[in-house]
Amino acid sequence: DSGVTQTPKHLITATGQRVTLRCSPRSGDLSVYWYQQSLDQGLQFLIQYYNGEERAKGNILERFSAQQFPDLHSELNLSSLELGDSALYFCASSVSGGNTEAFFGQGTRLTVV
Amino acid sequence: TQLLEQSPQFLSIQEGENLTVYCNSSSVFSSLQWYRQEPGEGPVLLVTVVTGGEVKKLKRLTFQFGDARKDSSLHITAAQPGDTGLYLCAGARAPNALNFGKGTSLLVTP
Repeated sequence: DSGVTQTPKHLITATGQRVTLRCSPRSGDLSVYWYQQSLDQGLQFLIQYYNGEERAKGNILERFSAQQFPDLHSELNLSSLELGDSALYFCASSVSGGNTEAFFGQGTRLTVV
Repeated sequence: TQLLEQSPQFLSIQEGENLTVYCNSSSVFSSLQWYRQEPGEGPVLLVTVVTGGEVKKLKRLTFQFGDARKDSSLHITAAQPGDTGLYLCAGARAPNALNFGKGTSLLVTP
């Protein structure tokens, strides 16, 4: 158990819908990262938050957004969903924001039908 | 464009064999990490290498960071079925988050 909790574990939704994925980091970790994993693209970095502030942005679509709340949990919002958004979405956390070792949750498997 | 290239993409071997997987890049990294991921789970950190030329051993696993800090290798001695999984390397370059390779999928059969 990494200490990072993600909910829900599975999500099936229709195209055009909006979903919210939730992540609770390890106790004491200030940084949260979101990654998308698909078979053809591998693990792609989406966005990082550190202590409530956006720290770095990767290949995140404009239809996607995230935030980190004062209690340090984070949410990833995916809207206007397309079939191609089907993937595993992972949250990871680390103590600081400086590329330190990251601990991953078990992921949310999103299926868009 | 993939910043980190891993090879081979797939590897199927028998129990007891040795193997090496590679992680290469044209970029320099401040550190490099190796993770192992099992189906339905998140990646789990195995090791972090920081210094060029560094070698770290974790039981039957040996990790090496290239002198120029652009590449790394993972050698497994006497592989066991429990080693089966997806091995991912990830490079750290401030101020960005970790960049992952696509991974090497390893299958060890009894």
